[in-house]
Amino acid sequence: AQTVTQSQPEMSVQEAETVTLSCTYDTSESDYYLFWYKQPPSRQMILVIRQEAYKQQNATENRFSVNFQKAAKSFSLKISDSQLGDAAMYFCAYRRFTGTASKLTFGTGTRLQVTL
Amino acid sequence: DVKVTQSSRYLVKRTGEKVFLECVQDMDHENMFWYRQDPGLGLRLIYFSYDVKMKEKGDIPEGYSVSREKKERFSLILESASTNQTSMYLCASSLEPIRGLQPQHFGDGTRLSIL
Repeated sequence: AQTVTQSQPEMSVQEAETVTLSCTYDTSESDYYLFWYKQPPSRQMILVIRQEAYKQQNATENRFSVNFQKAAKSFSLKISDSQLGDAAMYFCAYRRFTGTASKLTFGTGTRLQVTL
Repeated sequence: DVKVTQSSRYLVKRTGEKVFLECVQDMDHENMFWYRQDPGLGLRLIYFSYDVKMKEKGDIPEGYSVSREKKERFSLILESASTNQTSMYLCASSLEPIRGLQPQHFGDGTRLSIL
């Protein structure tokens, strides 16, 4: 079974600075998908960024980028120019490449605080 | 935009009651999911459904059942609620990929307290 580990329960960053959230996973498969989801306080969980394991190029979405190290099974999220609206719980998630219903395995989450 | 609607944001029930949590999606998604979210444990999959009347157990199905009579609606049932089922419950839906990257879309969550 796949497992996803987020070793930082809480992180803090100053506005306009850069922060990196770590995620490692364990799998015996060679093809899979990885996701970062964001859950703002009392609000809906939304997708931040996604990465296909067969793509070597790291995914980027505006201020959000990932550092995908397949051999190390590491998938960190970098947030540049942090904004107050980035404060949220961030979850890393793994999905198998094939199989029904696109089941996700989530990490335990990292709570990000953004300070002035 | 995809809309996943959970019937209640907050719910308080008593031990032993039968509890129904409802979820509706408006994008004709094949797949629907129920998770529970607990501090320090992340999201854990309870049940999922990949078609009408089809369901599969997730990682923590004990004490729960589900129903999917129509494609847009997926219900989570606590047969006899217990205090250890006090939690945040999240519903999600997604398209079924033949082979592709289909993200899950989440509802706002139902915070359930069992007294």
